[in-house]
Amino acid sequence: KAGVTQTPRYLIKTRGQQVTLSCSPISGHRSVSWYQQTPGQGLQFLFEYFSETQRNKGNFPGRFSGRQFSNSRSEMNVSTLELGDSALYLCASTITGVQTGELFFGEGSRLTVL
Amino acid sequence: EDQVTQSPEALRLQEGESSSLNCSYTVSGLRGLFWYRQDPGKGPEFLFTLYSAGEEKEKERLKATLTKKESFLHITAPKPEDSATYLCAVQDTGRRALTFGSGTRLQVQP
Repeated sequence: KAGVTQTPRYLIKTRGQQVTLSCSPISGHRSVSWYQQTPGQGLQFLFEYFSETQRNKGNFPGRFSGRQFSNSRSEMNVSTLELGDSALYLCASTITGVQTGELFFGEGSRLTVL
Repeated sequence: EDQVTQSPEALRLQEGESSSLNCSYTVSGLRGLFWYRQDPGKGPEFLFTLYSAGEEKEKERLKATLTKKESFLHITAPKPEDSATYLCAVQDTGRRALTFGSGTRLQVQP
């Protein structure tokens, strides 16, 4: 059974640019969450999608956005990149809409902003 | 605001030397406490869920316990392959998202 797939794995952008990251959840999983991981702040929740609807959003500026498609695949977008956006962006899926903390994470997309 | 504090930040053990990792938490209402393991360059891997004080879960050399204020991850006779960062997270009854601690970086030397 394939795990959570994130693309791209690595990318380098410059300040002011925008970036789109993609996540394919485990087959049958309908909930997708996004987390940002940095050495200083650790893992921080960005948002969660279920059945194409955003159900929860963390404390990030509006430059961070996301969406989910009918096949449960999800994308997140960061506009007007800042140096502080350099991080590992992790996608996690779970099977149902139940509020479970048992998340299945992908390997992440490592973003470097120069 | 939910808070999770893990200690120590880093721990170096000799193979076979048992120890415990600590996770202290503050939540208005605990829905669940979760332990994850993260290897370098990988996403976190789920280990355990604990729901109520007094609960214990075991998996191979790992045992997780929970009180009303903290959780411990006990590692018995660790092996080098247990080297990883161990993350603790809590889920508040009023929120869906997890609040993670900063992790304990464990290194087990042969």
